[in-house]
Amino acid sequence: GNSVTQMEGPVTLSEEAFLTINCTYTATGYPSLFWYVQYPGEGLQLLLKATKADDKGSNKGFEATYRKETTSFHLEKGSVQVSDSAVYFCALSGRAGGTSYGKLTFGQGTILTVHP
Amino acid sequence: EAQVTQNPRYLITVTGKKLTVTCSQNMNHEYMSWYRQDPGLGLRQIYYSMNVEVTDKGDVPEGYKVSRKEKRNFPLILESPSPNQTSLYFCASSSTQGSYNEQFFGPGTRLTVL
Repeated sequence: GNSVTQMEGPVTLSEEAFLTINCTYTATGYPSLFWYVQYPGEGLQLLLKATKADDKGSNKGFEATYRKETTSFHLEKGSVQVSDSAVYFCALSGRAGGTSYGKLTFGQGTILTVHP
Repeated sequence: EAQVTQNPRYLITVTGKKLTVTCSQNMNHEYMSWYRQDPGLGLRQIYYSMNVEVTDKGDVPEGYKVSRKEKRNFPLILESPSPNQTSLYFCASSSTQGSYNEQFFGPGTRLTVL
């Protein structure tokens, strides 16, 4: 079955530091890949997505590239801010028409804390 | 405003007392789903529904029921809650008209079963 593995947290950084959160996946076929963010006390919001190999998703200064050869989708940001403190989830979903379409398989989540 | 709403946001109950968590979306989405979030485990799918009157089990369906009588609503029912169902629950919805599945999440319901 499908699975997603994220780097263990929590991650603590100073403002303006570089961020990398590793994510690798196991899936049949060609899944779509997502990063979701959960701010304190809120639900999950889609941060960025990539739907095919070599696609780069980007949003709010965050980036992730769909690497089929290494089955990875690492999240990066060049300069984090205090407001980026949140829980980040890597996830995958099957393609339309497939048996796993619609279901999101999540990693365990990574807590990020950014200090001034 | 396009949104997914859940009620209640917080609930403390006792073992065996039936409860229902409601979920509603105003985006005319076909697909709806329930997840539970537990520390170190991420989110796991409980049940999902591809459309009205069509529901199916996710990865952790034991102890839960759902129904989909209307397109906008997808309640989660715990007939006899137990302490191991203490968790943070999220409802999500998405359109099936597309090549990938962007799901929209509700704000969550924190359930404690004593």
